[in-house]
Amino acid sequence: NAGVTQTPKFQVLKTGQSMTLQCAQDMNHNSMYWYRQDPGMGLRLIYYSASEGTTDKGEVPNGYNVSRLNKREFSLRLESAAPSQTSVYFCASTRDGGHNQPQHFGDGTRLSIL
Amino acid sequence: QKEVEQNSGPLSVPEGAIASLNCTYSDRGSQSFFWYRQYSGKSPELIMFIYSNGDKEDGRFTAQLNKASQYVSLLIRDSQPSDSATYLCAVIPNDYKLSFGAGTTVTVRA
Repeated sequence: NAGVTQTPKFQVLKTGQSMTLQCAQDMNHNSMYWYRQDPGMGLRLIYYSASEGTTDKGEVPNGYNVSRLNKREFSLRLESAAPSQTSVYFCASTRDGGHNQPQHFGDGTRLSIL
Repeated sequence: QKEVEQNSGPLSVPEGAIASLNCTYSDRGSQSFFWYRQYSGKSPELIMFIYSNGDKEDGRFTAQLNKASQYVSLLIRDSQPSDSATYLCAVIPNDYKLSFGAGTTVTVRA
């Protein structure tokens, strides 16, 4: 099993460009998450989807939109990229959103905004 | 105040020694606590989870939880060079949104 797959792995954008980061999981998990990781700040939750058809804001949602396309896929869109969005983005999933669920992470997307 | 605070490190320990990592959290209603290991340029991987007060051991790793003090720690016994990584403490507070600390970087000296 592939687990959680993110594409692309690397991307360079110019300020103002738009881009969609893709995430898919093959573990039949209900809940999916998008995080960004910046040096010295750990992982911060951008958006999450507790189940198919639902999405909610996390700690740092501004400048992003998400789509839970189906149970497997959860995409993150930057409509107008800004240099402050340069980061490593991780997608994760859990079986459900319960309190005892560890997160399964993808390999990350390294995004640079010039 | 950040929800999850970790000792900032970096922490350097000799091979074979015990590495001790500390984490405090602000939401007293938090129920689940996780330790993730992250190698440079890689994604976090779960190494331990603990839900109840006390100690939980898994191989060379021991997690300790004290909910009264809002404190969770990770001990790495017989540290190996392969343990050199950043360790992330994560907590699920009452709103079920997993919250991560900034991480502590551990270097094991051969």
